[in-house]
Amino acid sequence: GAVVSQHPSWVICKSGTSVKIECRSLDFQATTMFWYRQFPKQSLMLMATSNEGSKATYEQGVEKDKFLINHASLTLSTLTVTSAHPEDSSFYICSASNRASGGLNEQFFGPGTRLTVL
Amino acid sequence: SQQGEEDPQALSIQEGENATMNCSYKTSINNLQWYRQNSGRGLVHLILIRSNEREKHSGRLRVTLDTSKKSSSLLITASRAADTASYFCATDEAAGNKLTFGGGTRVLVKP
Repeated sequence: GAVVSQHPSWVICKSGTSVKIECRSLDFQATTMFWYRQFPKQSLMLMATSNEGSKATYEQGVEKDKFLINHASLTLSTLTVTSAHPEDSSFYICSASNRASGGLNEQFFGPGTRLTVL
Repeated sequence: SQQGEEDPQALSIQEGENATMNCSYKTSINNLQWYRQNSGRGLVHLILIRSNEREKHSGRLRVTLDTSKKSSSLLITASRAADTASYFCATDEAAGNKLTFGGGTRVLVKP
């Protein structure tokens, strides 16, 4: 149980285009979803936290107009990288949490999406 | 910002040896979690230790937590080549609803 999927697993796009990444919890309802980015050989940096039906909370330094997050249902969150540039190339990972599980902040991670902006 | 600091940053051992990595953090926590990440893949949850626990085992994994020193360790016993991966600690802070990840330890187990 507790499977999270991401789509696409990798994407290559031209500079200036927008890219949408989907994150789905397949067998549980995720009250909260998190979006991280990870540069090569570095750790995960939290970008934003989204709760179903409300606006996402962005971490300091993350542009909310550039990284649009939508969490329209308890099983789906999307991250749209708008007007992507080469410096946005990274590994984007989502996770999903259901606080109902004893109050623990146990997050289940998706397999990640490799974004390359040319 | 990264709360957790992990050491060593990289570790190379022979198959069958034990691997130990440490994680330090700065604020009060609800729990601390360890994850494994194979190259280019997502994270796999290994073990969660609550703030009122001192030691936890799962198979060949042993995790300790010292809240007075704000540190945790992960021990992998009898390592295998398949254990080659990056290992991250993540703290669930008492204030807030998010995990903060350490810098990670890259472990190479040579057959």
